[in-house]
Amino acid sequence: DTEVTQTPKHLVMGMTNKKSLKCEQHMGHRAMYWYKQKAKKPPELMFVYSYEKLSINESVPSRFSPECPNSSLLNLHLHALQPEDSALYLCASSQVIKSGSVNEQFFGPGTRLTVL
Amino acid sequence: GQQVMQIPQYQHVQEGEDFTTYCNSSTTLSNIQWYKQRPGGHPVFLIQLVKSGEVKKQKRLTFQFGEAKKNSSLHITATQTTDVGTYFCAGPPGGNKLVFGAGTILRVKS
Repeated sequence: DTEVTQTPKHLVMGMTNKKSLKCEQHMGHRAMYWYKQKAKKPPELMFVYSYEKLSINESVPSRFSPECPNSSLLNLHLHALQPEDSALYLCASSQVIKSGSVNEQFFGPGTRLTVL
Repeated sequence: GQQVMQIPQYQHVQEGEDFTTYCNSSTTLSNIQWYKQRPGGHPVFLIQLVKSGEVKKQKRLTFQFGEAKKNSSLHITATQTTDVGTYFCAGPPGGNKLVFGAGTILRVKS
């Protein structure tokens, strides 16, 4: 199974809502990532988990809260978002290799988020 | 921090013409990866280059990694409509993360 799944595919939320994005992989990868992608832009790294521990937070606002309950699952909890947070949120996973390098990443289909 | 620059931003070609996108890093890279994202889709890994001067081919796609490991290119021979999409290069600046280039959007006219 070389697939990364994400739910939901689409999400519309108000600025006062709380919602969660979910990501799952069964490739045995121990590195998982959250990216944000705006239209016609490259994926922008938000968080990296390595062996279920948060290893990188790219100065993401606290209204985004990641969680890695186990080696197969990655969540992104959303609270009090702003309209400018509307974007495609991509989850990815990879094997963990030596520090300072990254192996190929497998991306999920993404959640298209709209904040009203 | 590390920057990965990619040109051109857009390329429209006639079907059958060749296409090249170029990637340059401000620092030496341990490796460089290429991804393709179809319209409405997600990035899909194409290849990873690790060695200085490395050249790899996948059917009509040729990938090169520069001798100084700071630049890379992707060349597509005789483009087809199935090649449409955005091509990203990406390099690790350290710390187990990737920095993506801005991407080159390829449109193919049939």
